[in-house]
Amino acid sequence: DAGVTQSPTHLIKTRGQHVTLRCSPISGHKSVSWYQQVLGQGPQFIFQYYEKEERGRGNFPDRFSARQFPNYSSELNVNALLLGDSALYLCASSFSIGGTQYFGPGTRLLVL
Amino acid sequence: QQPVQSPQAVILREGEDAVINCSSSKALYSVHWYRQKHGEAPVFLMILLKGGEQKGHEKISASFNEKKQQSSLYLTASQLSYSGTYFCGTGRSNTGKLIFGQGTTLQVKP
Repeated sequence: DAGVTQSPTHLIKTRGQHVTLRCSPISGHKSVSWYQQVLGQGPQFIFQYYEKEERGRGNFPDRFSARQFPNYSSELNVNALLLGDSALYLCASSFSIGGTQYFGPGTRLLVL
Repeated sequence: QQPVQSPQAVILREGEDAVINCSSSKALYSVHWYRQKHGEAPVFLMILLKGGEQKGHEKISASFNEKKQQSSLYLTASQLSYSGTYFCGTGRSNTGKLIFGQGTTLQVKP
């Protein structure tokens, strides 16, 4: 079975722009979580969606938003990009809301 | 509250053992261990739940001390492939919100 997939793999944007990152969970998984990982640090929780509903939100500004589609794939949107948004954005899927999370390869975002 | 991992870094020779600790100041429901190699995504190792037993597979095992809110990851007879950064992710309830530690970098040398 395919693992978690994310697109694009790399992205370069300029300050003020917006970005949409996409994630497809492992088949049968209904929960998707998003994390931001800055170089040298552990992943930081942004959102969790389960059955298309937001079930958790981390300490991120309103510029960050997400949604989950009927096929359980998910999008993370970031508006008004700042230099500090440069990071690896990881998507993780799990079968249940509190189940084991399996990470995708991530999208590396660079904001110039 | 971010869990605290110790040590921050460790260098081993092949065949040596290592222990990585993860401590929280808050009551935990679960502890999740991952290994991340440079430029790659974190790979799931194991999950320990409150009230659960010590887990392990092959030469990697872990324990969860609920009284101390501490988990330890045991790597025995280390192999070169064990090199990477180990993260613990803690959950305070049965949700998907994991708070990760700052990581422990493990380097195994021949």
